[in-house]
Amino acid sequence: QVQLVESGGGVVQPGRSLRLSCAVSGFTFSSYGMHWARQAPGKGLEWVAFIWYDGSNQYYADSVKGRFTISRDDSKNTLYLQMNSLRVEDTAVYYCARAGWAATAGSGMDVWGQGTTVTVSS
Amino acid sequence: DIVVTQSPDSLAVSLGERATINCKSSRSVLNSSNNKNYLSWYQQKPGQPPKLLIYWASTRESGVPDRFSGSGSGTDFTLTISSLQAEDVALYYCQLYYSAPYTFGQGTKLEIK
Repeated sequence: QVQLVESGGGVVQPGRSLRLSCAVSGFTFSSYGMHWARQAPGKGLEWVAFIWYDGSNQYYADSVKGRFTISRDDSKNTLYLQMNSLRVEDTAVYYCARAGWAATAGSGMDVWGQGTTVTVSS
Repeated sequence: DIVVTQSPDSLAVSLGERATINCKSSRSVLNSSNNKNYLSWYQQKPGQPPKLLIYWASTRESGVPDRFSGSGSGTDFTLTISSLQAEDVALYYCQLYYSAPYTFGQGTKLEIK
């Protein structure tokens, strides 16, 4: 069945970097755009980034633009989120999700992973 | 950027009664080229990731009970649960995906009265 499994979360000091991974299975990864979203403790959902099915375009929330980079490796069926210059306010559960109905722009999320927790603290 | 406003923040409804959640966009999310509204609804229960309920504003995701329905067009949208069940207690979010950033509403907490 379709499955997305995030990893790479942990505790990191402000200003440091972390790379999250999302391993997918059960569908043709190279045919789908992919999202990252996050949820701070006790808060609502925040969309973070999106990458086209072929990796040719990426979009970011203003809150992470210039610090985070979304990428993909279709040979490994894996989505990544490189997070640099981390801030306390980046503390959240990070979810990867499949763009359900468009390989390029203009799609929400039809399948979600269970999430990985990132804590930014000194 | 398109701003999304979801209301109410919380809602208490009796079992078997109707629940209605609203989502308003600062700009139309109706694409005139395909006549689709770029809005989805999600349900999130504690400790779980969100679950897609509705996309294109009114298309129910496979497996979602038919008591869930979405309506609206342009800038104003509604998620309706026709007869509230105990298992519907959750947070509900709308999301606009017309153009990046793909903003979520702030969420509505649905409880049993």
